[in-house]
Amino acid sequence: GIQVEQSPPDLILQEGANSTLRCNFSDSVNNLQWFHQNPWGQLINLFYIPSGTKQNGRLSATTVATERYSLLYISSSQTTDSGVYFCAALLLGQNFVFGPGTRLSVLP
Amino acid sequence: GAGVSQSPSNKVTEKGKDVELRCDPISGHTALYWYRQSLGQGLEFLIYFQGNSAPDKSGLPSDRFSAERTGGSVSTLTIQRTQQEDSAVYLCASSLNREGSYSGNTIYFGEGSWLTVV
Repeated sequence: GIQVEQSPPDLILQEGANSTLRCNFSDSVNNLQWFHQNPWGQLINLFYIPSGTKQNGRLSATTVATERYSLLYISSSQTTDSGVYFCAALLLGQNFVFGPGTRLSVLP
Repeated sequence: GAGVSQSPSNKVTEKGKDVELRCDPISGHTALYWYRQSLGQGLEFLIYFQGNSAPDKSGLPSDRFSAERTGGSVSTLTIQRTQQEDSAVYLCASSLNREGSYSGNTIYFGEGSWLTVV
């Protein structure tokens, strides 16, 4: 089945800094999503982005499907951005496969 | 409902007892997923339901785990003879339809059922 990798595994930022999180996947996908899991465990949808670029406030994401990767950009980070960021990929006929996550800590 | 609803939110059970976890997906969503997440770990796929098709049970870790979905809506995950290694948060998610590549495939998660086996 499809393999999903994420980097870096851990990231510590000072409040106000920018960051880029990466998701690599091993095969062409029909669905690529980014999630934020807050410190209370709730998984929040950030982007549905099988290809192209989307922006939502301080967050944006780009997926280059032909090169099998997606990037999540966080600008002007805030302490509330802390948590784990997961990407998940779906290949038609298979199940959503989650990456191992990037644990982000934003320090005040 | 407005979102995916799971119950109980927390469950402490004794080793060897059976537990049932319930998931009520978003109204109209035909796809339903169960995942498991141990403390500090990633998400482990358990089982997937799509409409009236046979469920994909390939992620169930042992025959102590089973799940059903009645009437294409509510799902129950049952763990028999619980073991300490079953302690985890069990997450349910739903989507409008898994097939295709349109935004209707966005999956939404419930808040999870935190299971502790003592």
